[in-house]
Amino acid sequence: AQSVSQHNHHVILSEAASLELGCNYSYGGTVNLFWYVQYPGQHLQLLLKYFSGDPLVKGIKGFEAEFIKSKFSFNLRKPSVQWSDTAEYFCAVNARNRDDKIIFGKGTRLHILP
Amino acid sequence: DSGVTQTPKHLITATGQRVTLRCSPRSGDLSVYWYQQSLDQGLQFLIQYYNGEERAKGNILERFSAQQFPDLHSELNLSSLELGDSALYFCASSGGLAGASRGELFFGEGSRLTVL
Repeated sequence: AQSVSQHNHHVILSEAASLELGCNYSYGGTVNLFWYVQYPGQHLQLLLKYFSGDPLVKGIKGFEAEFIKSKFSFNLRKPSVQWSDTAEYFCAVNARNRDDKIIFGKGTRLHILP
Repeated sequence: DSGVTQTPKHLITATGQRVTLRCSPRSGDLSVYWYQQSLDQGLQFLIQYYNGEERAKGNILERFSAQQFPDLHSELNLSSLELGDSALYFCASSGGLAGASRGELFFGEGSRLTVL
């Protein structure tokens, strides 16, 4: 069964710092990969997704993620964070063509200091 | 606003009781997913329905059951409640099967269940 591991449970950064949140998945087949974000008091929403093609995907609000198949990783990055990026970030995986489960990691709480 | 509606937003009940959580998906979405979010377990996949039929099952307890009705709304029934069932229960919808819909889920705001 597929699973997702997010390395950091809680990250604190200052504004303008660079961000990288780690995500590793376990599944040997082809996958669809996602990052979702939950801003305080709001519902989860999609940040970016990878299905195929260019392993570097760009999402909303300046976020990007790189799929490295050999490392089973899909790390989220942003060159310069803003206070408004304070939120919880979830990595998720779907085993393509297997079933419809979308499995989430436990999330990383990101706190940006103004 | 994601277009997914969940009721109730908050629910407080006692151990041993039974509750029903309701989800209305986005207009036109055929798939409904249920997730349980707790501090220690994160976002746990429970079950998924597609156009009224169960499509995928996760770590859903036998005390829990769900269904999707012909109008595509879904209900999650939790019975013989225990303290550990206290959590935020999310519903999400998507346009179709994960592969076809490209996997974007639209989440509701959740139903917070407190079991005393």
